[in-house]
Amino acid sequence: GESVGLHLPTLSVQEGDNSIINCAYSNSASDYFIWYKQESGKGPQFIIDIRSNMDKRQGQRVTVLLNKTVKHLSLQIAATQPGDSAVYFCAENSSASSGNTGKLIFGQGTTLQVKP
Amino acid sequence: KAGVTQTPRYLIKTRGQQVTLSCSPISGHRSVSWYQQTPGQGLQFLFEYFSETQRNKGNFPGRFSGRQFSNSRSEMNVSTLELGDSALYLCASSLRSDNEQFFGPGTRLTVL
Repeated sequence: GESVGLHLPTLSVQEGDNSIINCAYSNSASDYFIWYKQESGKGPQFIIDIRSNMDKRQGQRVTVLLNKTVKHLSLQIAATQPGDSAVYFCAENSSASSGNTGKLIFGQGTTLQVKP
Repeated sequence: KAGVTQTPRYLIKTRGQQVTLSCSPISGHRSVSWYQQTPGQGLQFLFEYFSETQRNKGNFPGRFSGRQFSNSRSEMNVSTLELGDSALYLCASSLRSDNEQFFGPGTRLTVL
């Protein structure tokens, strides 16, 4: 069935270290993936996205890696800062199964804690 | 450019009542999607509207409905509220359905 899951519910890192948040998805037809950051009391904030014709995409301090063979997605945050503390969600959209609509399937989320 | 706005931010209702939530998308965005977020179920897709047409609907009962106006603003309605409807309701807008979605701050609904 449709599901997007995260491997760890909580990740604790030291300020300045790199963080890696993982996500596994089950729908092999998924062709668009997004990472969101959600801080307490706020809506999810777009971080970075990647389409299935790519295996890596970089943004400012963030990198998303996509491995379609094992249906795995990861978000790497370089030089993690206290302001990065939040819940991170991966989301998947399959234009084939959703009829090319905006239906996103979200994972359960990983809480990133940054220790000063 | 202003972000997605949602009103009201907080709402308290009692069982059996109905509620209407409003969402104003980013200017120029024609797709509006609604999600329900709860601690137990996480973020779940409710429905999406594009050019005033519902394009997709999630697995929610018929008590949940929505609409979109010609200016792309959207409303969702929940009738005959149940305790389990207590959640954060999020609206997201995008240029097209297969583009990145930008979320509003949400409406926190509490059903007593």
